[in-house]
Amino acid sequence: DAKTTQPNSMESNEEEPVHLPCNHSTISGTDYIHWYRQLPSQGPEYVIHGLTSNVNNRMASLAIAEDRKSSTLILHRATLRDAAVYYCILRGGGADGLTFGKGTHLIIQP
Amino acid sequence: NAGVMQNPRHLVRRRGQEARLRCSPMKGHSHVYWYRQLPEEGLKFMVYLQKENIIDESGMPKERFSAEFPKEGPSILRIQQVVRGDSAAYFCASSRNSLYSNQPQHFGDGTRLSIL
Repeated sequence: DAKTTQPNSMESNEEEPVHLPCNHSTISGTDYIHWYRQLPSQGPEYVIHGLTSNVNNRMASLAIAEDRKSSTLILHRATLRDAAVYYCILRGGGADGLTFGKGTHLIIQP
Repeated sequence: NAGVMQNPRHLVRRRGQEARLRCSPMKGHSHVYWYRQLPEEGLKFMVYLQKENIIDESGMPKERFSAEFPKEGPSILRIQQVVRGDSAAYFCASSRNSLYSNQPQHFGDGTRLSIL
């Protein structure tokens, strides 16, 4: 899987939007962009994924740059329960296991 | 709608014993993945299985570790002759149809293995 780059940590205030960036300059044409998060003492949780177009679901939105070399996960209104490590992962060419990087540790201040 | 079930949640073993970790995938999912998270480290892929077949075991240690996903019953990750370095959280994930890279994986809450 191609490599992704994320900030080590970000901090935001409760009830404000959060934009989590991810760079993936070596993405190939068939790579999907997936986001997972891991809350403390829990297993990872699927958040959202996309290929080229922006995507929305009940948890978040995913904005994908036109050249696909970067993407942004958007939490529209952060709550304390959104404090977690967020992982941006590229998946291409099949059904192999996920390659987790270090992710972004999101801290939410009340 | 039960999610991925892992048991036990916590497992304590002495050095040299065997550890067996179980994973029941979500209903309708026939593909299972195992990951390991060592203390203060990231998640690492270990093995990908379909029913009765190991598809990719590139992340499995060469010795002492094995995995199976029988036709009936849960997937089992087995660690023989455990050592202190095996202490970690082991996560299982399942997916509905893993032939395509756009299928999400659903994770269990893990088994925390502690070696005395």
